[in-house]
Amino acid sequence: DTAVSQTPKYLVTQMGNDKSIKCEQNLGHDTMYWYKQDSKKFLKIMFSYNNKELIINETVPNRFSPKSPDKAHLNLHINSLELGDSAVYFCASSHPNRGYGYTFGSGTRLTVV
Amino acid sequence: AQSVTQPDIHITVSEGASLELRCNYSYGATPYLFWYVQSPGQGLQLLLKYFSGDTLVQGIKGFEAEFKRSQSSFNLRKPSVHWSDAAEYFCAVGEAAGNKLTFGGGTRVLVKP
Repeated sequence: DTAVSQTPKYLVTQMGNDKSIKCEQNLGHDTMYWYKQDSKKFLKIMFSYNNKELIINETVPNRFSPKSPDKAHLNLHINSLELGDSAVYFCASSHPNRGYGYTFGSGTRLTVV
Repeated sequence: AQSVTQPDIHITVSEGASLELRCNYSYGATPYLFWYVQSPGQGLQLLLKYFSGDTLVQGIKGFEAEFKRSQSSFNLRKPSVHWSDAAEYFCAVGEAAGNKLTFGGGTRVLVKP
């Protein structure tokens, strides 16, 4: 059983398109995150949701919109994709009462052409 | 604001030799510290974490890390590396009350036969 699963694993799309990445966790964690890893491997938090409530919203273009239908899911929708959006996007989850530490998904490599 | 510095971008080590990866953090309160490993094309896996107590922390895969408050460091060590330890290693600091992790830039470890 995959703990944090992301789909798709790879996504190639043209500039200007709208795309979504889905994330689901079966760990019973309360908090979920989206991180962006750039070409230099630098990881930066984008969003965090706790029990479907947005708690962290870093400086991210408003073309990026997270949606959490329930605490086990956190999807990322991106409008009007740009070349600079090309990166690997990681979903993660955590639970403070279970010793912190994130469990990461395997990532979605987004390539905008 | 919290920050993490990993001074070494690349480290090459011979199989069977010891490994030490450096991590320095900046955080105003007691830090929550983590080390993660990322194998090529994979997500991040938690190696170990420090919250309080014994400053020498044991993790998975034979890794350990030592928290030194006076030096604001949390260096990762392994006595004898295996070829499978070739990967990217990330140090991270977390907020005590919140769930946000700030990552260092990573250290790529190459293992020579």
